[in-house]
Amino acid sequence: AQTVTQSQPEMSVQEAETVTLSCTYDTSESDYYLFWYKQPPSRQMILVIRQEAYKQQNATENRFSVNFQKAAKSFSLKISDSQLGDAAMYFCAYRSAKNNNDMRFGAGTRLTVKP
Amino acid sequence: NAGVTQTPKFQVLKTGQSMTLQCAQDMNHNSMYWYRQDPGMGLRLIYYSASEGTTDKGEVPNGYNVSRLNKREFSLRLESAAPSQTSVYFCASSYRDRGPGELFFGEGSRLTVL
Repeated sequence: AQTVTQSQPEMSVQEAETVTLSCTYDTSESDYYLFWYKQPPSRQMILVIRQEAYKQQNATENRFSVNFQKAAKSFSLKISDSQLGDAAMYFCAYRSAKNNNDMRFGAGTRLTVKP
Repeated sequence: NAGVTQTPKFQVLKTGQSMTLQCAQDMNHNSMYWYRQDPGMGLRLIYYSASEGTTDKGEVPNGYNVSRLNKREFSLRLESAAPSQTSVYFCASSYRDRGPGELFFGEGSRLTVL
């Protein structure tokens, strides 16, 4: 079964600075999708960014970008110009293109943003 | 723009009691899911329904039952609650056969079993 590992339980960043959250995954498949979800204190899970494994170009959404290294099975999230509203739990997730009914999540990284 | 709606938001049960968590989505998604979230463990899949009329076990199905009532609604039932089922439960939905299939989540239901 695929596993997703987030090795940083907690991270902190100064407002306006840049932070990178790490994620690695284990799979024998070649076609899959990767996601980063944000969970603020309200508990609502919000999609931040997604990456298709067949795409070599790294996904970008405004201040959020990823570094997708397929051979290394690594999928890190970079947050630029951090804002107080970025404080949340961040979850990395993997979804197989073959069996797309099971999305696997990492344990999460709690991000604190210091003013 | 309701998206995915789950009820109740909070519930306290005694060991052995039963309850049902309700979930409805208005996005015409084929697939629906129930996850549980525990500290340090991320989200784990309990059950899913790939389409109306079908349900399948996920990673942690023991102690739960589900019903896909129609395309919109997917309920999760605890027949005899145990303290180990204290958790936050999330319902989610997605398109099954279209693109990456990202999940759209409800706001979560916090369940405490005493």
